[in-house]
Amino acid sequence: EVQLVESGGGLVKPGGSLRLSCAGSAFTFSSHSMNWVRQAPGKGLEWVSSISSSSSYIYYADSVKGRFTISRDNAKNSLYLQMNSLRAEDTAVYYCARARKAAATRVGFDPWGQGTVVTVSS
Amino acid sequence: QSVLTQPPSASGTPGQRVTISCSGSSSNIGSNTVNWYQQLPGTAPKLLIYSNNQRPSGVPDRFSGSKSGTSASLAISGLQSEDEADYYCAAWDDSLNAHVFGTGTKVPVL
Repeated sequence: EVQLVESGGGLVKPGGSLRLSCAGSAFTFSSHSMNWVRQAPGKGLEWVSSISSSSSYIYYADSVKGRFTISRDNAKNSLYLQMNSLRAEDTAVYYCARARKAAATRVGFDPWGQGTVVTVSS
Repeated sequence: QSVLTQPPSASGTPGQRVTISCSGSSSNIGSNTVNWYQQLPGTAPKLLIYSNNQRPSGVPDRFSGSKSGTSASLAISGLQSEDEADYYCAAWDDSLNAHVFGTGTKVPVL
């Protein structure tokens, strides 16, 4: 079964940093674009960032541009999100999600991980 | 701020048909395919419809999607209690170079 498992969430002070990881299994990780999506408490879904299969194309939401960095290690079947200069409004559940189709970026996300909680508070 | 607009709520009774709209623009829905996600309470979102009207395997055929111009819609026929969830539309936006989600619609089954 295709699976994504996030880790690395936690409580961090404003201005601090955190690195999220997402481990993929049971699929050819290196063939799929990967994505981060977040959901603030009681709010809707917000796309954060996407990275193509070979890391050639990277996209960020304006709300995180310049503060967050997405990366991947295909040899380790892993996706990362380095989050710097964190703000209270970054508090959310962060999900990693695979592009539904190999070698495509502008497609739906399937599956999603279970999410990891990031809380930014003093 | 979400780029795609959905109604906040769309309720129905068991067996009824419920329709959820998703309004966008020429740079997103108007030029790219639409996906729909279902988020059951306390769980991660799940892909429900892709490429405007395609169902992943395992998704019941009571769920259907359509697109016309810069709008899309999701229909749930024969509403069931287990369909009580939040539903989100999404698409790629060529102007923003970003995936954009809808504002989300809560579907309570009365």
